[in-house]
Amino acid sequence: ETGVTQTPRHLVMGMTNKKSLKCEQHLGHNAMYWYKQSAKKPLELMFVYSLEERVENNSVPSRFSPECPNSSHLFLHLHTLQPEDSALYLCASSQGTGIGNEQFFGPGTRLTVL
Amino acid sequence: EDKVVQSPLSLVVHEGDTVTLNCSYEVTNFRSLLWYKQEKKAPTFLFMLTSSGIEKKSGRLSSILDKKELFSILNITATQTGDSAVYLCALNYGGSQGNLIFGKGTKLSVKP
Repeated sequence: ETGVTQTPRHLVMGMTNKKSLKCEQHLGHNAMYWYKQSAKKPLELMFVYSLEERVENNSVPSRFSPECPNSSHLFLHLHTLQPEDSALYLCASSQGTGIGNEQFFGPGTRLTVL
Repeated sequence: EDKVVQSPLSLVVHEGDTVTLNCSYEVTNFRSLLWYKQEKKAPTFLFMLTSSGIEKKSGRLSSILDKKELFSILNITATQTGDSAVYLCALNYGGSQGNLIFGKGTKLSVKP
């Protein structure tokens, strides 16, 4: 596997379910990101992890809980979501967060909340 | 209030046409401006611009940044159907580490 991978690619869940999205990067990067992409809206940055420490939260609701156990893996734990949380969730990674910050994206998880 | 505004929101052209996509922004203290192409799901990186007036070129694509007038353009010459995608502009914003602020994108459709 190369690049940035995400699982599952599609997820349908009820509002009372608990699920997790997984992201893995094979690029040796030290920063990872979660984005939310809703229809007709810009990509919204949810979380940034740099050197395994969370450096940005952006006031995301607590029903989204990130976890970064090491520099290659990133999780997004979901619980008691709302239908408006249905969206494409993209993971990205980069080598540092400085001037270049060329981010490489995974294929995304299409989430539907019923 | 959108910090990054892309125009047009959508564009339909025929193969062989040349297109210019626009990205204007409000903030001045950013580190870089990036262009991405999003075909189905994952955005793929195209260009990173940091200096004003210096054109970046890759094949039929080119981009330039104007820090005085606060905009960037992405040019695609001799368009092909494979260029059909959403083109995203993002600012590497100086406010927080790693914070990319994206525009809504321009949806380009290239007809045969």
